[in-house]
Amino acid sequence: EPEVTQTPSHQVTQMGQEVILRCVPISNHLYFYWYRQILGQKVEFLVSFYNNEISEKSEIFDDQFSVERPDGSNFTLKIRSTKLEDSAMYFCASSDNRYNEQFFGPGTRLTVL
Amino acid sequence: DQQVKQNSPSLSVQEGRISILNCDYTNSMFDYFLWYKKYPAEGPTFLISISSIKDKNEDGRFTVFLNKSAKHLSLHIVPSQPGDSAVYFCAARITGNQFYFGTGTSLTVIP
Repeated sequence: EPEVTQTPSHQVTQMGQEVILRCVPISNHLYFYWYRQILGQKVEFLVSFYNNEISEKSEIFDDQFSVERPDGSNFTLKIRSTKLEDSAMYFCASSDNRYNEQFFGPGTRLTVL
Repeated sequence: DQQVKQNSPSLSVQEGRISILNCDYTNSMFDYFLWYKKYPAEGPTFLISISSIKDKNEDGRFTVFLNKSAKHLSLHIVPSQPGDSAVYFCAARITGNQFYFGTGTSLTVIP
């Protein structure tokens, strides 16, 4: 069964450093998403991406964040200058259209020291 | 803004009995609702969904009920099995827009 994959599974970084989280969505999906979950809190929407552009973003997704689909398979989330409060699980998701359920990857745990 | 709320952080149920997980929402414009199940160290897995034009959707042991007037959603699992032990998230959206997730309910099914 096709699945969304994410790398790395755990990323540790120093405050102020840039990180790139990688995702490979399901191959025939066209809509891509990033979510995060701070420990003990709810899953929060960050951004949705379709046709090589952002279609929706939340208040969390400020200028420190960017997304890119550099090739036909990867979907990346970049945090330019990490802060302590960026520590969270980051989930990538994809769907075949904007109306259906989203399929989630296993997540990347980001720890900012 | 807590548009989707799961007021019970945890629930324990005996194997074979019914598990009922509840979810409340505030935005009457939501028209699509889902339940996701999450095991530790894994991403959320889609379980079942319901459109606002329905009040019930059933898939095997899982049934989702929607009460639009009360802005309330529930997931029934019957019979509950130990493998159902996980965190369950409800999510809601206005079609085409972002999902709003609840904080999750941790279900433990006791053998």
